[in-house]
Amino acid sequence: AQSVAQPEDQVNVAEGNPLTVKCTYSVSGNPYLFWYVQYPNRGLQFLLKYITGDNLVKGSYGFEAEFNKSQTSFHLKKPSALVSDSALYFCAVRVPSGGYQKVTFGIGTKLQVIP
Amino acid sequence: DTGVSQNPRHKITKRGQNVTFRCDPISEHNRLYWYRQTLGQGPEFLTYFQNEAQLEKSRLLSDRFSAERPKGSFSTLEIQRTEQGDSAMYLCASSGDSTGGTEAFFGQGTRLTVV
Repeated sequence: AQSVAQPEDQVNVAEGNPLTVKCTYSVSGNPYLFWYVQYPNRGLQFLLKYITGDNLVKGSYGFEAEFNKSQTSFHLKKPSALVSDSALYFCAVRVPSGGYQKVTFGIGTKLQVIP
Repeated sequence: DTGVSQNPRHKITKRGQNVTFRCDPISEHNRLYWYRQTLGQGPEFLTYFQNEAQLEKSRLLSDRFSAERPKGSFSTLEIQRTEQGDSAMYLCASSGDSTGGTEAFFGQGTRLTVV
């Protein structure tokens, strides 16, 4: 079974400060890891993914995430938050073997960037 | 191409009625997914198509649910004898072989309310 935990329901950060949204996962084998963002009244948007290689992956809108295998974590980060980053963020995991396509999402973390 | 399109955007139905939703994926994408999202939760995987073949089904997809993707283009999700517990946002996503199916593009969803 595969699962994702997002331990914070909400993260508040001041504009211009660095932000971190936490994610840990549980899966057998090597995971594919993803971050998606959901703005109000809009569909989920892909931000970034980790498949293999460099543990630090860069994505859209200046976001990045670091894969840490020993801690089974994939935290989302951004050096300087913008008010427009306020949204709901979902971490997700998939097992890559055997053409298995099911992606398991976390419950989401609401990011509030305060002007 | 304007992305993944879902219709209708909203559906209110009486308990016991049948409903059908449609998803038009990005035209060059051969992979199509259905998810269900309830308030305060992340999307839950329902089913996956590669072209016209339905290759994965979640145990969440009871026998009242059926999905099709004739000719490998658009897809429909039908719920028979709807129950109040079926009230949710139903999300469709598609992805292509260029990313190995690792970057999914989501539609805005169909919000189902069963009264």
